[in-house]
Amino acid sequence: LAKTTQPISMDSYEGQEVNITCSHNNIATNDYITWYQQFPSQGPRFIIQGYKTKVTNEVASLFIPADRKSSTLSLPRVSLSDTAVYYCLVGGGYNKLIFGAGTRLAVHP
Amino acid sequence: GAVVSQHPSRVICKSGTSVKIECRSLDFQATTMFWYRQFPKQSLMLMATSNEGSKATYEQGVEKDKFLINHASLTLSTLTVTSAHPEDSSFYICSARSGGQTASGGYTFGSGTRLTVV
Repeated sequence: LAKTTQPISMDSYEGQEVNITCSHNNIATNDYITWYQQFPSQGPRFIIQGYKTKVTNEVASLFIPADRKSSTLSLPRVSLSDTAVYYCLVGGGYNKLIFGAGTRLAVHP
Repeated sequence: GAVVSQHPSRVICKSGTSVKIECRSLDFQATTMFWYRQFPKQSLMLMATSNEGSKATYEQGVEKDKFLINHASLTLSTLTVTSAHPEDSSFYICSARSGGQTASGGYTFGSGTRLTVV
């Protein structure tokens, strides 16, 4: 299972764009990259998943370079409610999900 | 989308007693479920993988006799914390594999159970 490295914490302000980068140097060919969001005392919530290039949904974008050794989660115009821990995971098929430390995002007024 | 229901959301028990936590997949069948434990300000730690109709696979360092897992049906997995002690107080989260690369990322999580042992 590919190990991931993310910044421990980030700070932002309401209305700004936040980019969280995750390194996964030993990602396997069949691995997908998935990001989850977790609020205190709740289970993780799926944000976005991708394999290569760019993926966009209603809440975020995911940028994956050609070598797939990193990925960047982009949150447009964050609000206070985006304050949470964000986890980057890599894996595929029927692998168990192993969580890294995650990035604690604090959005300030 | 895929929904996983976890109950109870909070439980307080006395030291030495046992507590059962249920995890149900509401609109899909889950042959595999996962149990995690999360301490304050820490990440989720995988405890075990639960497979329907077979014994669970525990991660290294997790006591299988203390954390009993039963996955008797395709929609229900239970975690029983036996002879609970204050150090077992934690946030327990289940997850079910909801399909390959689906809109939920292939895995859906329960809302978690806050266990406090007094």
